Amino acid sequence: SQTIHQWPATLVQPVGSPLSLECTVEGTSNPNLYWYRQAAGRGLQLLFYSVGIGQISSEVPQNLSASRPQDRQFILSSKKLLLSDSGFYLCAWSPWDRIYTFGSGTRLTVV
Amino acid sequence: AQTVTQSQPEMSVQEAETVTLSCTYDTSESDYYLFWYKQPPSRQMILVIRQEAYKQQNATENRFSVNFQKAAKSFSLKISDSQLGDAAMYFCASLRSGGATNKLIFGTGTLLAVQP
Repeated sequence: SQTIHQWPATLVQPVGSPLSLECTVEGTSNPNLYWYRQAAGRGLQLLFYSVGIGQISSEVPQNLSASRPQDRQFILSSKKLLLSDSGFYLCAWSPWDRIYTFGSGTRLTVV
Repeated sequence: AQTVTQSQPEMSVQEAETVTLSCTYDTSESDYYLFWYKQPPSRQMILVIRQEAYKQQNATENRFSVNFQKAAKSFSLKISDSQLGDAAMYFCASLRSGGATNKLIFGTGTLLAVQP
């Protein structure tokens, strides 16, 4: 069966520090991968999606970047965090039937 | 572009009663999918129900059912016999069908409280 792992669960980082959130999928090949952000009290905003290794599409211009170094690995990064980067980050994957499965999320607080 | 609108930021229902959550969407696609996701306090996103736009029959999953009105672009969720465990944030979402890139677009959510 397919599983998705996302870590860390919670992160507190100072302004200006770098960021690396990792997401991995098991039990499938060539999944579509997605990064979403959920600000406090708001809906989910699609940040990045990837249909293959090295293929990244950005939905919203921002201080963040994404990379897909391996088929089932998706990384969200920042060189210098801003206060506005605080939020709840969710990774997701979808197969051919387009049913999205979400990771457990990372709560990022920038202080 | 796809947009999803949930006009009810918060709703409340008595245990064992029925509640309907509203959702409208806008898409230029002829074929698409619609979803309701539940996000409990754990913040895990859980798929509640799915509707293919080409199907006229409304989807049903146990106590959860939808009222899909394609012409009106409306997709409401009905929860029957509400239980305390149904308390959560509910998100409506749409997904374009076809193509290699499928982007799930969410509404802003409705926070459902269940009163004992």
